[in-house]
Amino acid sequence: GAVVSQHPSRVICKSGTSVKIECRSLDFQATTMFWYRQFPKKSLMLMATSNEGSKATYEQGVEKDKFLINHASLTLSTLTVTSAHPEDSSFYICSWVAGSSYEQYFGPGTRLTVT
Amino acid sequence: AQTVTQSQPEMSVQEAETVTLSCTYDTSENNYYLFWYKQPPSRQMILVIRQEAYKQQNATENRFSVNFQKAAKSFSLKISDSQLGDTAMYFCAFMKSPMDSNYQLIWGAGTKLIIKP
Repeated sequence: GAVVSQHPSRVICKSGTSVKIECRSLDFQATTMFWYRQFPKKSLMLMATSNEGSKATYEQGVEKDKFLINHASLTLSTLTVTSAHPEDSSFYICSWVAGSSYEQYFGPGTRLTVT
Repeated sequence: AQTVTQSQPEMSVQEAETVTLSCTYDTSENNYYLFWYKQPPSRQMILVIRQEAYKQQNATENRFSVNFQKAAKSFSLKISDSQLGDTAMYFCAFMKSPMDSNYQLIWGAGTKLIIKP
């Protein structure tokens, strides 16, 4: 149980284009989810918190107009990186809050490369 | 503000040995949750074990157990009979008791664990 999918797993896009990353909870529903960014050999960096039906809350330094979050339902959230630049290249991970101890269940991540 | 410290950037042990990963945290909260997550080379984050601060008994999950010392604000992970598949980054994480529906995790920097055959 508690399976989360992310699509695509890898994406390469050209500078200036936009890319959408999809995150789904496959066998459970949850209200709250998170989007993270992870640099090589580093810990997770929280980008934003999203509750279904509400606007996402972005962490300081994360541009909400650049990283658009659409939390469409209790099982689907998308992150759109708009006008991507090489510095946006990273590993993006989503998670959903579920379970008796409010643990987070993670997607397998999306590696974004902007050329 | 809460902080989580993992003082061991990297550890290496032989297969079948026991290894302990350290984690300390700083908080003024009385109720909270602590987690250990594993991130193998596939980069899929996997929950290893969880501990509620109000529970005195240390959590165990098969070969994984914790030593939770609330007064010392310490939350170490012991892996017994280590296996090659345990090779991964291990992250310690803290969450305040979600009274206000704040489920954010505070993450440690991680410990890279290598199990040698």
